[in-house]
Formats: sequence, C-alpha cells, structure tokens
Amino acid sequence: AQSVTQPDIHITVSEGASLELRCNYSYGATPYLFWYVQSPGQGLQLLLKYFSGDTLVQGIKGFEAEFKRSQSSFNLRKPSVHWSDAAEYFCAVAYGGATNKLIFGTGTLLAVQP
Amino acid sequence: KAGVTQTPRYLIKTRGQQVTLSCSPISGHRSVSWYQQTPGQGLQFLFEYFSETQRNKGNFPGRFSGRQFSNSRSEMNVSTLELGDSALYLCASSIYLAGELFFGEGSRLTVL
Repeated sequence: AQSVTQPDIHITVSEGASLELRCNYSYGATPYLFWYVQSPGQGLQLLLKYFSGDTLVQGIKGFEAEFKRSQSSFNLRKPSVHWSDAAEYFCAVAYGGATNKLIFGTGTLLAVQP
Repeated sequence: KAGVTQTPRYLIKTRGQQVTLSCSPISGHRSVSWYQQTPGQGLQFLFEYFSETQRNKGNFPGRFSGRQFSNSRSEMNVSTLELGDSALYLCASSIYLAGELFFGEGSRLTVL
C-alpha cells in the first residue's frame, strides 16, 4: 500500500539552529511530493512542492527540500530556525497524476527553544 | 483574495444525528477536497470533486457523502454519527488537480 513515513514524531531545536525533518514514501512511480505546516487551531499551509525537474526545491519561510529517488525521501530543511516555526509539519504525496488525493505522513511536531 | 471558508467552525452533535459541513473554495478554484484529521488516524482523505464530479473517494463508510455545486461550493454530510466521527474536517481547494491545495481552518465536530 502507498504510504508516507515521518519517523520523528517530536523534535526540539534551539532558535537559530538548523533543522531537518525526514520523510520517506513507499516505492512507486515518482509521486508528487509536498510539505505542509499546521499551526495550532489552523488549517494546513503549503510550504513547498516537487513535481519534477530540479530535485532541490525552495519554499516559503526559508524552507527547502531535496528529493532523493534512490532513497525514496523528501526531507525538509531550514538553515536557521525561528521561534515562529514551532508547528506541526506534514509530508504528503499524491500518486496517479491528476489528483488532489494526498496521502499524509503522521506529522512531526517541532518545538523551538529560546 | 478570500481564502477557503468552512462553516460551521465548531459544532457538537449526539450519536445518531447527522451533520452537514459547508466549504466555499477560493474564487476560480474548481477542485475541492475533504480530509478528516484525528489524533489517532491523522489526516485521511475523504473525497475529491472537480467541476461537480466526484473524482476520488477515500476509504470511509457510506455514511460519509459529499457533493459539489455549480459554483464550486461543496458540502459533506455524515449520517448516523458515531463517537469516532469526532474530528477536524478540513476542506481544500485548488485550481487544478495535482495542484497546490489551499486549506480552510476546518470544522471541528464533537460527537457526544
């Protein structure tokens, strides 16, 4: 079955430190890949997406992600975390081309220490 | 530009009742998707509509249904509510299929 794995349920980083959130997806034709962020009581906001082409994609709020086909991974990175980045982060994939049916990972809750 | 609007934002129902949730997509967006978010199951896909046609349906019982109107607004209905239906129901709209999804803030349903 198609699946998305975010192995880290909870991560704490210090403000100003770098961040990497991991995401792995199950094997298949190259899916469309997404990272979303959810603040408490809010809906989800798209940070970045990968459809094809350059495997390093830039997103909003200083985030970037790298698609590695050999590792079936799409890890999210940020060089310097700000306190406002504390939120829950979801990796998602869409299979089968023209669909908005996304399979979400279980999420990684990010806490930022001052 | 107004975002995705979901109503009501909060509601409380009792077991056996039914509920209808509404979603107004961003103007010009023809695709509307619905997701259920719970602490135990996470984010799960419910349905996807494009130009009034259901394109995909998730693995939910027939008590869950939806529709999309000609103005792209969408509703979802849950009949014979169960305690396990308590969740945040999120609606998302997009211009295209496989496009960027814009999510609303959700309708939080509590079933007592």
